[in-house]
Amino acid sequence: NAGVMQNPRHLVRRRGQEARLRCSPMKGHSHVYWYRQLPEEGLKFMVYLQKENIIDESGMPKERFSAEFPKEGPSILRIQQVVRGDSAAYFCASSPPSADSGNTIYFGEGSWLTVV
Amino acid sequence: QKEVEQDPGPLSVPEGAIVSLNCTYSNSAFQYFMWYRQYSRKGPELLMYTYSSGNKEDGRFTAQVDKSSKYISLFIRDSQPSDSATYLCAMSVTGGFKTIFGAGTRLFVKA
Repeated sequence: NAGVMQNPRHLVRRRGQEARLRCSPMKGHSHVYWYRQLPEEGLKFMVYLQKENIIDESGMPKERFSAEFPKEGPSILRIQQVVRGDSAAYFCASSPPSADSGNTIYFGEGSWLTVV
Repeated sequence: QKEVEQDPGPLSVPEGAIVSLNCTYSNSAFQYFMWYRQYSRKGPELLMYTYSSGNKEDGRFTAQVDKSSKYISLFIRDSQPSDSATYLCAMSVTGGFKTIFGAGTRLFVKA
């Protein structure tokens, strides 16, 4: 499967625990984006990363949320001390390193986080 | 005011109907316009991609962009039950990297 791979697909965490979501971009893609989708709402941009660099994190909550895209391995979205309001679908997307990158992005199947 | 407005529906049509889905936007700097289809509990799938104004056709799907009115449309001809999904419009600024999405329109095509 050459698509964007996300895991886990479903994750249940108790309030106060940590959630780690992983994303491997499509082959040949070096730009990764994380979006959050709440029920009945559209996709909200969270963060844009390239290898070892955070390019834009203007959509990330100021506390408890962090993201990385190391030189080796998948991109990680980390949510510390989860609260019920963090329950959502988290989508990773990737795009190629071309001049118009970011204008067409391809999504993974998502990770559904439920905080109980 | 949201940057991208999209009627959430739901929109229910009989099989074979022509479906019209629309979005309006406020940022005149947007140059790239996309439509994504999202089935329940799945990731969004890129359907159509248009640069600047004009029309683009792909099979049963036609995307239209009217930059003067800040209005984009997706038409689905001969709609099928398998077209039942949420359709998300999306747009971005030339060379930009933050794609802004509409809230999505839920479409039901009845057999």
